[in-house]
Amino acid sequence: ETGVTQSPTHLIKTRGQQVTLRCSSQSGHNTVSWYQQALGQGPQFIFQYYREEENGRGNFPPRFSGLQFPNYSSELNVNALELDDSALYLCASSPGTSGSRGRHIQFFGPGTRLTVL
Amino acid sequence: GDSVTQMEGPVTLSEEAFLTINCTYTATGYPSLFWYVQYPGEGLQLLLKATKADDKGSNKGFEATYRKETTSFHLEKGSVQVSDSAVYFCALRGGPTGNQFYFGTGTSLTVIP
Repeated sequence: ETGVTQSPTHLIKTRGQQVTLRCSSQSGHNTVSWYQQALGQGPQFIFQYYREEENGRGNFPPRFSGLQFPNYSSELNVNALELDDSALYLCASSPGTSGSRGRHIQFFGPGTRLTVL
Repeated sequence: GDSVTQMEGPVTLSEEAFLTINCTYTATGYPSLFWYVQYPGEGLQLLLKATKADDKGSNKGFEATYRKETTSFHLEKGSVQVSDSAVYFCALRGGPTGNQFYFGTGTSLTVIP
């Protein structure tokens, strides 16, 4: 059973550019969540997808968007990059349903380190 | 909104010392509570969890009890080891949909021999 994988590992972009980060969920998991972790801070919830539909969103602007595919892999897209978008972006998958209310554990990937210059 | 407040670090302890990392939460509903650990160079790993009041989560000698009356979920370990050196995050699952995770800022623990 493979774990959660993310690509790329590191990425450098400039202000105003767009970026796409990718996540491959753990086998059998139909729910994926994305987090932003700034240096020295805890992860901040961006959004969650369950069976290809958004299932909750944190306090992030619309330029942060996502997709989940039929195989449950996922993308995080960020448009019009700003310097403050520099962070570690984490993906987490779980076998949960939209009504599980915490019964399911999230498994985290190693993250993508994004630097915006 | 829902949030987690975590004891600030860094914390440095000698091997075999007692560990407490404080965590309190604010939530409108009935969240589940978690402790995650991040070892150097690795991703977040679930350490333990509790899904309702008075539940005690435990793993690898670590324990935390879900205290609704004090809205707390403090992490404890009776005798720390050098290998416990890591960053510890308290988290709750709740929010408007019940599916959002809120993390504390993390507490860095260093255990010296």
